[in-house]
This record gives sequence, structure tokens and C-alpha cells, in this order.
Amino acid sequence: NAGVMQNPRHLVRRRGQEARLRCSPMKGHSHVYWYRQLPEEGLKFMVYLQKENIIDESGMPKERFSAEFPKEGPSILRIQQVVRGDSAAYFCASSPDRVGGYTFGSGTRLTVV
Amino acid sequence: DQQVKQNSPSLSVQEGRISILNCDYTNSMFDYFLWYKKYPAEGPTFLISISSIKDKNEDGRFTVFLNKSAKHLSLHIVPSQPGDSAVYFCAAAGGGSNYKLTFGKGTLLTVNP
Repeated sequence: NAGVMQNPRHLVRRRGQEARLRCSPMKGHSHVYWYRQLPEEGLKFMVYLQKENIIDESGMPKERFSAEFPKEGPSILRIQQVVRGDSAAYFCASSPDRVGGYTFGSGTRLTVV
Repeated sequence: DQQVKQNSPSLSVQEGRISILNCDYTNSMFDYFLWYKKYPAEGPTFLISISSIKDKNEDGRFTVFLNKSAKHLSLHIVPSQPGDSAVYFCAAAGGGSNYKLTFGKGTLLTVNP
């Protein structure tokens, strides 16, 4: 019974490149959440998705960031034209329903050089 | 504007003693509170939660206390064990969006043998 799987675990991108972060929720979970943790900070909510729908993207930066959770396959967090300030740990979580005690993945650590 | 505050960045206790981690919040709409534990290079792991209709919830060695009038909650770990050494995050949700967690910055607990 695999948990929430995120890949890659570490990602290095040069400024201006695109970063794609993948998240496969736990089996049976149809709700996916993305959080970002900047150095020395707590986790900050970015977006909540269900299959093929964005439910709440109030935490997403207005530009360069997008997320999807297609009918088939993992959820993707996409960051275009990355900048140094995007360097952070990005955590995905999933749940079987719409509550907050969900299960987190191990995160993707993005470093922009 | 930090709505969830963990004012102690770190705490050190002896094995077998009680660990008390504190958390304050400012948003009156929060009605669901959670504690997560996080080891380095891993995702947060859900520990225990409490809703605003209760003032205490217990699960084994972990007890969470909620003081709504003071907008304060605390996590008690008794007895503390070296394996409890980790960063502990307090999180809150509410206002009809219980999926959207607001995290504190965390407290690093070190339990010394």
C-alpha cells in the first residue's frame, strides 16, 4: 500500500527553465493538495485539485505556476521560467475526502541555480 | 500576517519527561487544528487533531489541548522518547475550508537520552 509518491525527489533547474513536479496520490484518494515550504518557513497552501478539476488555487502565484490532475496519471505542478525564489520544498498530499488530516508525500526539493 | 504562530523555534527535553509544544492562532474562523511531525528529507506525518467543539484529545502518548478563548493550543508528549526528535508543525483550518491548512513555522524538538 504505497503512500503518496512524489518525483523527482530533487530537481535542479537553471533560471528560465521549466520545472515539472509529479505526485501520485494514495490508492483510493481523489483529492490532491500542493504545498510549498520555503527555507525556515512553514508549509503554505498552493492548490487543491480533484480529478480534472481545480477546486481552490488561491495559494498559487498568479504567473508561471500551474497545476493539473488529469483523469489518468499523476498530478503535475508546473513552474515555467523558474527564478531563484522558486527554490523550495514542494509537498503533495492526498485524501479520500475533503478534510485536513491528509497524507503527505516526501516532497520534491527544487533548486534553481 | 502569520495566522498560526509557534514562538519556540526549538525545545530540548530529557527522555522520559514531558514535552510541551505551544501554538497560538489569530484567525477566529479556525475550528480544526492539527499537529504534524516532520523528519528531515521527509514529508509531514499527521499526529493528532482536535476540533473546536472539544478542549482535549488524546491518542496514546500524545494529547492536544485547545483553549479557544486564548486562541492557544498545545501538544503534550508523555513520556518523551528519542525517536520523537523532529520538527513539529501546528496547523489550522476553518471557515468552510477544512482542506486548506495554515501552518506555523515549526518547533524542533530534541529528546536527549
